Amino acid sequence: EPEVTQTPSHQVTQMGQEVILRCVPISNHLYFYWYRQILGQKVEFLVSFYNNEISEKSEIFDDQFSVERPDGSNFTLKIRSTKLEDSAMYFCASSELALGITDTQYFGPGTRLTVL
Amino acid sequence: SQQGEEDPQALSIQEGENATMNCSYKTSINNLQWYRQNSGRGLVHLILIRSNEREKHSGRLRVTLDTSKKSSSLLITASRAADTASYFCATLNTGGFKTIFGAGTRLFVKA
Repeated sequence: EPEVTQTPSHQVTQMGQEVILRCVPISNHLYFYWYRQILGQKVEFLVSFYNNEISEKSEIFDDQFSVERPDGSNFTLKIRSTKLEDSAMYFCASSELALGITDTQYFGPGTRLTVL
Repeated sequence: SQQGEEDPQALSIQEGENATMNCSYKTSINNLQWYRQNSGRGLVHLILIRSNEREKHSGRLRVTLDTSKKSSSLLITASRAADTASYFCATLNTGGFKTIFGAGTRLFVKA
């Protein structure tokens, strides 16, 4: 069964450094999402992306964050200058159709980001 | 702001018993979904119910939605130890691109 993959599984970085989290969505999916989950807390929506544009973003997704689909398969989340509070599990998800039409978005296994 | 909140926060039951988890939200929604998360792992989509539906079944799962009360419930029947996980409800806003998750219910099923 097709699945969303994410790399790396764990990223450790120093405060102020840039990180890029990578995701490979399911191949025929057109809608892509990033979420984060701080340890012990709820999953938080960051951004949705369709047709090479951000569809919607949350208040968390400030100028330090950016997303890109650099080629036909990868979907990346960049954090320009990491802060301690960016430490979290970051989940990528994808769906074939818009979420209001499809029944399912598929989540990757997550990247655990630790900012020291 | 739109928010899904689960109740109870934690639930411990014996294998074979039914588990019921509730979710409330604040604003109008397109649909409501339930997810499962094993400790430290990714989210698995369980079931989706649309705003014009009242009840939905999938295997041992039964979901209800009451839009007048802005609430939903997830029933897992004949629970198994393997059902031990956190369960989250999530609502899709009427714009259709933003999914808001609740804080989750931690279910522990004792063998």
